[in-house]
This record gives sequence, C-alpha cells and structure tokens, in this order.
Amino acid sequence: DAKTTQPPSMDCAEGRAANLPCNHSTISGNEYVYWYRQIHSQGPQYIIHGLKNNETNEMASLIITEDRKSSTLILPHATLRDTAVYYCIVSPSHGSSNTGKLIFGQGTTLQVKP
Amino acid sequence: DAGVIQSPRHEVTEMGQEVTLRCKPISGHDYLFWYRQTMMRGLELLIYFNNNVPIDDSGMPEDRFSAKMPNASFSTLKIQPSEPRDSAVYFCASSRWGEQYFGPGTRLTVT
Repeated sequence: DAKTTQPPSMDCAEGRAANLPCNHSTISGNEYVYWYRQIHSQGPQYIIHGLKNNETNEMASLIITEDRKSSTLILPHATLRDTAVYYCIVSPSHGSSNTGKLIFGQGTTLQVKP
Repeated sequence: DAGVIQSPRHEVTEMGQEVTLRCKPISGHDYLFWYRQTMMRGLELLIYFNNNVPIDDSGMPEDRFSAKMPNASFSTLKIQPSEPRDSAVYFCASSRWGEQYFGPGTRLTVT
C-alpha cells in the first residue's frame, strides 16, 4: 500500500502557482520524499526529491514540514502542459536494502485551466 | 542520451502466445525496474535489478512472467503464455542515484 495520501484532484489557473499537498505521517528517517508526474499516455517523469530541507530545481519547489509528516510540491507558474497526475512517494535512500521500491498511489490529477 | 528505450511500443497478441518486451536503460545507470500500469491497479513494480542481478521480484504476478538482464544495456520481460488479463502498459525505468527515468512504455493487448 502507498504510504502517502494525496487529494484525488485539483484545479489551477494558468500562470498561477499550483500547490500540491501530500501527507506521509509514517515516513521513516531514511526515506526520501519523491515527486513524479505522468502526462497522459507517457511514462512517469521525475520532478524533485528531498529528505529534510526544502528543495528547488528548474521544474518545481518542494517544501517539507519540520516533522517530515507532510510536504507540498509547488509549480510556481503553471502552464497547460503541467496538466498531469502527480505522485508523491516515499522511498528509502539508494543503497539500502529496499532501494528503488517506488510504491505509486493514485496521485493527484492536476488540471491547469486557461 | 536517448533516454530509456523500450520496444515494441505496441504489441497485440492472441491468448497463449509468448510475448517479449525489451528495454535499454540509460548508459551508466546500475538499477533497472519493470512496472505495469492498468486502470484497475495503477502503477505496480514488478521486478528490479542492480548491476544486472535481480534484487526483488516479489511484484511478478505469477510464473508466467520472467525477466532477465544479460548485460548492463539490455533487459527483457517475457510472458508465456499470455492471457487477456495481462493487457496493460509496461514501463521500464533506470536509475543511478535515486531518481528513476522511465521509458515511453509498451502497450500490450492480449486478445
């Protein structure tokens, strides 16, 4: 079973920030928070990941609460091409015995509207 | 880099036939994963390899499914015999440092 909880769907206006929440209250100390997205009919695409600190890259920002029980993915200026299913996943760090076991839940379907 | 390459992109076969799906990971990646996606069950991890060695095959649905990785640049997922319930999109992914890069998938239809 997925170890995360996400809202099933969200809408966002084009050009506005999209804030996608994720709860992972049972996260372990060695588990990272990963975000992927899947645009219709394509393979999942890696977005960003983090352990404790907030992270930012060219695609998005990841805000992790201090207790690490929840996080928020932020797309600063959503475009129509950002319409996709967004998956929040917790996974052990590379090199551990369970490395790579991404357990995908149902994710959040983000609809960016003009 | 061309990314993860999968072939064929589409496969239609009759029940009982053998199906072989192929994957070429990104050069330098030492982990390779096979996933299956259906509407009912979502994305499921089937098996993964590290340095060409199968590490966890607990997601393989049954003995009809087998996967091999004879070298660092090639892997196969075989279904023999195929059944209609195997119809799905099969994804291959590879990684080096944690983030996984997925191929475009193979859409399998078993009639």
